[in-house]
Amino acid sequence: EAGVVQSPRYKIIEKKQPVAFWCNPISGHNTLYWYLQNLGQGPELLIRYENEEAVDDSQLPKDRFSAERLKGVDSTLKIQPAELGDSAVYLCASSLAGGGNEQFFGPGTRLTVL
Amino acid sequence: QKEVEQNSGPLSVPEGAIASLNCTYSDRVSQSFFWYRQYSGKSPELIMSIYSNGDKEDGRFTAQLNKASQYVSLLIRDSQPSDSATYLCAVISNRDDKIIFGKGTRLHILP
Repeated sequence: EAGVVQSPRYKIIEKKQPVAFWCNPISGHNTLYWYLQNLGQGPELLIRYENEEAVDDSQLPKDRFSAERLKGVDSTLKIQPAELGDSAVYLCASSLAGGGNEQFFGPGTRLTVL
Repeated sequence: QKEVEQNSGPLSVPEGAIASLNCTYSDRVSQSFFWYRQYSGKSPELIMSIYSNGDKEDGRFTAQLNKASQYVSLLIRDSQPSDSATYLCAVISNRDDKIIFGKGTRLHILP
């Protein structure tokens, strides 16, 4: 069974440029998460989707970050414009529907903003 | 503010010994508890989940949960150099289904 797929794996951009990350969850997993992880820290939740509905986006910086999950499968996370402090690893995870279930992570996208 | 606390380490353990990793959490109504292993430059990998008080064993790994004392631990028996990684504790609150990760404990198994 295929795991969570993310692309790109690495992205280097200059500040003020836009960037987008893509995630394809494990088949059958209705819940999808986007996390941000800084070096030496645990993942921090940005947004959680149940199917196509964003059920928790309280920690998403909405002035520059946006996300969508059209059709309830793939998801895209966008940053526009990127700032130096956005350099981090962006992780996508998925789980069976509802909270409390085991989450499985994709390989992540390492973003460097110059 | 809900918190999940872990000793950052590094925790050095001789090969073949038992490694003991601890995690405390602040939200008393937490319901689900997970241990993830993360190798340097890789994403977190789920190794154990536990939902009720007591011990849960899976191979060389044992998770222990004590809700009254609000701690969860992970024991790794017969530690191997390949166990050297950062171990992340994660807790989901029954209040709002939010998952909170600790900062992780770096484990180093000495050959």
